[in-house]
Amino acid sequence: NAGVTQTPKFRVLKTGQSMTLLCAQDMNHEYMYWYRQDPGMGLRLIHYSVGEGTTAKGEVPDGYNVSRLKKQNFLLGLESAAPSQTSVYFCASSYTGTAKAFFGQGTRLTVV
Amino acid sequence: QQQVKQSPQSLIVQKGGISIINCAYENTAFDYFPWYQQFPGKGPALLIAIRPDVSEKKEGRFTISFNKSAKQFSLHIMDSQPGDSATYFCAASRGDYKLSFGAGTTVTVRA
Repeated sequence: NAGVTQTPKFRVLKTGQSMTLLCAQDMNHEYMYWYRQDPGMGLRLIHYSVGEGTTAKGEVPDGYNVSRLKKQNFLLGLESAAPSQTSVYFCASSYTGTAKAFFGQGTRLTVV
Repeated sequence: QQQVKQSPQSLIVQKGGISIINCAYENTAFDYFPWYQQFPGKGPALLIAIRPDVSEKKEGRFTISFNKSAKQFSLHIMDSQPGDSATYFCAASRGDYKLSFGAGTTVTVRA
């Protein structure tokens, strides 16, 4: 029972490069989220999805795009990475109508 | 700005002692208040949660106290153990999904 799986776990990017973070969940959850975690800031919501084919902006969406083509997958894209996007990124999912979120192990991204 | 303010940033407690973490919020529309526990290198995991219609919830050694009028809630870890050493996040949500997190508290339990 994998739960929420994120790939990759670590990545180093150069400024201006692009990349996609993949999140997959096997719990048949409708809701999926992308958060970033920075020291002293807690977790901040980047984008979220309430179902297949839907996405919405969270607190800090600038510089990121997302897609939810399949219910089990939620992709986070960085089109032109900036050093300010150096962070640990967490994907989470939850059942409809509940904030009991299940988190992945995280992706540590460094932009140099 | 952060919708949920958490303190302290870190605390050290002796084994067997009580750890107390406090959170405050402004948005009276929040109706779900969970606490998450995070170990180094892992994702946060739900520890315990409360709704504003109750003032206290206890699960094992972990207790949430909730003061609706003061817009504050706290986590008490009784009989703290070295295995409780982790970062704890309070959070709040409205409408049962999007969570707003506090900044986190790193708890160190000394043996």
